[in-house]
Amino acid sequence: EPEVTQTPSHQVTQMGQEVILRCVPISNHLYFYWYRQILGQKVEFLVSFYNNEISEKSEIFDDQFSVERPDGSNFTLKIRSTKLEDSAMYFCASSASGTRAYEQYFGPGTRLTVT
Amino acid sequence: DAKTTQPNSMESNEEEPVHLPCNHSTISGTDYIHWYRQLPSQGPEYVIHGLTSNVNNRMASLAIAEDRKSSTLILHRATLRDAAVYYCILPPYGAGNMLTFGGGTRLMVKP
Repeated sequence: EPEVTQTPSHQVTQMGQEVILRCVPISNHLYFYWYRQILGQKVEFLVSFYNNEISEKSEIFDDQFSVERPDGSNFTLKIRSTKLEDSAMYFCASSASGTRAYEQYFGPGTRLTVT
Repeated sequence: DAKTTQPNSMESNEEEPVHLPCNHSTISGTDYIHWYRQLPSQGPEYVIHGLTSNVNNRMASLAIAEDRKSSTLILHRATLRDAAVYYCILPPYGAGNMLTFGGGTRLMVKP
């Protein structure tokens, strides 16, 4: 069964450093997403991406965040200057289009620890 | 967005059916009802969705009330692996397919 993969599984970085989280969505999916979950809290939507552009973003997704689909398979989330409060699990997801767009398949997550 | 209300937690015995309720009294006519679950230390997992009719798949069944103001996710035989947080979500149409996760129902399964 096809699945979403994410690398690395755990990333430790110092405050102020840039990080790039990587995802390989399911190959025939057209919509891509990033969510995050701070330890013990709810899963929060960050951004959705379709046709090489952002289709929706939340208030969390400020100028420090960016997303890119650099090639036909990868989808990345970049945080330019990490803060302590960026420590969280980051989940990538993908979905097909049309009526199956809300049937999102999530990866295992990247745990980001900012020290 | 239509608001959903779920119990904070429920308990079940292994191999017994589990009925997880969700109230969504402000649902609009075009809102689909989605259920996701999150197993410990994993990402959310799509379970099932429906609009008006009851739905079945290999994971669960979804029973939707006739007035659509409530729904019930049914696990026919709970296993220890079904211990998870279950989320009932009514995504807003067109908002970039954004899913808004509430607190969900934490299902505990006893052996």
